[in-house]
Amino acid sequence: DIQMTQSPSSLSASVGDRVTITCRASQSISNYLNWYQQKPGKAPQLLIYRASTLHTGVPSRFSGSGFGADFTLTITTLQPEDFAVYFCQQSDTYLTFGGGTKVEIK
Amino acid sequence: EVQLVQSGAEVKKAGESLKISCQSSGYSFPTHWIAWVRQTPGKGLEWMGIINPYDSDTRYNPSFQGQVTISADKSISTAYLQWNSLKASDTAMYYCARYGPQYSISSGGWFDPWGQGTLVTVS
Repeated sequence: DIQMTQSPSSLSASVGDRVTITCRASQSISNYLNWYQQKPGKAPQLLIYRASTLHTGVPSRFSGSGFGADFTLTITTLQPEDFAVYFCQQSDTYLTFGGGTKVEIK
Repeated sequence: EVQLVQSGAEVKKAGESLKISCQSSGYSFPTHWIAWVRQTPGKGLEWMGIINPYDSDTRYNPSFQGQVTISADKSISTAYLQWNSLKASDTAMYYCARYGPQYSISSGGWFDPWGQGTLVTVS
């Protein structure tokens, strides 16, 4: 199985901050990496697919990069509605998720 | 608008059977595979299996093979997740999600949209 490791598991940030979340795969997955946002009591929502393509309607302050085994989700100017949990997910072999990164208000 | 609407929360006893549903609207149901995903505080998000509504071809995560059954009825645009004998460890939130792009289960896909979730509690 391909293991997905996210870091950090949580972080505290202020509105306006730049936030970076990393996701590492246990083996190369090309660019088959997706990012989701989950708010309390809600289902995950797709943010970015294939490592760097912004899903329709997602604000441009979100961006993704990476290839192979190392990936990054960046939020350039954190907004109040961005406080949530973020998950990465690989779709190279089977489908596995990272453990999540909780972005909290400082 | 593409939507997946799941059946409501369930409270069951260990050993009972259960079938939860996921009804799709806003697109042609047979064009996208539908997956089921389990979420627990301890293990996070886990992909359970995925079905092609066109011909009911189904693939399971080996961890869930034999534990659940996934099915679909394309005449009513609905996918199902079923247990024959629930265990306390099945207590979780269950989501269905559409796999994209259409007509494909190949590598490189993504889940969008997701159903609102069905909370299953087994005592």
